[in-house]
Amino acid sequence: EVQLVESGGGLIQPGGSLRLSCTASGFTVSSNYMTWVRQAPGKGLEWVSLIYTGGSTHYADSVKGRFTMSRDRSKNTLYLQMDSLRAEDTAMYYCAGSLSSVNWFNYWGQGTLVTVSS
Amino acid sequence: QSALTQPASVSGSPGQSITISCTGTSSDVGYYNLVSWYQQHPGKAPKPMIYEVSKRPSGVSNRFSGSKSGNTASLTISGLQAEDEADYYCCSYAGSSTLVFGGGTKLTVL
Repeated sequence: EVQLVESGGGLIQPGGSLRLSCTASGFTVSSNYMTWVRQAPGKGLEWVSLIYTGGSTHYADSVKGRFTMSRDRSKNTLYLQMDSLRAEDTAMYYCAGSLSSVNWFNYWGQGTLVTVSS
Repeated sequence: QSALTQPASVSGSPGQSITISCTGTSSDVGYYNLVSWYQQHPGKAPKPMIYEVSKRPSGVSNRFSGSKSGNTASLTISGLQAEDEADYYCCSYAGSSTLVFGGGTKLTVL
């Protein structure tokens, strides 16, 4: 059974940094396409970032230059390093994975909540 | 990367059919046959229901179907059931390795 478990969320002040983790079981992070998607409280889904099997990363304009996606093969874990955080980054952050493509994702974690507030 | 446009809400009675639209542009929905749909129940993670416009992942009921015409994609749910009540989001590949979601539609089963 595939499981994706996010962690690392919490309360952080504006301008601060946070690193989210997404640890997989029954699924190899480095061999699949992975993405981060966020959802502000009471709002819709917003695509954040994507990593290809080859390692190239891509970002939404709203986070480009502030967020960095990476993975650790030995830990089978995906990361999202978030710097220069803003109030508008407050959201539930989901990691998701796909065996076959970058345009849809069939495995999702339960999310980790990030709150940016002073 | 502007969000795709979905109606805020739709409703239907059990057994009826409903359709949710998702309007984008000629750079995303209109250009790529890479539209997916997700169902999200309150407090839960999204679940894929349709991918590549009209394909169903394994385990998804054939009551769910997808289509596309021009810059607008659609999700149709036939034989509405109480458990279909949820939020639905469309998503399209938008080129240059980016994705864009719709604003979401709340489906109410009356």
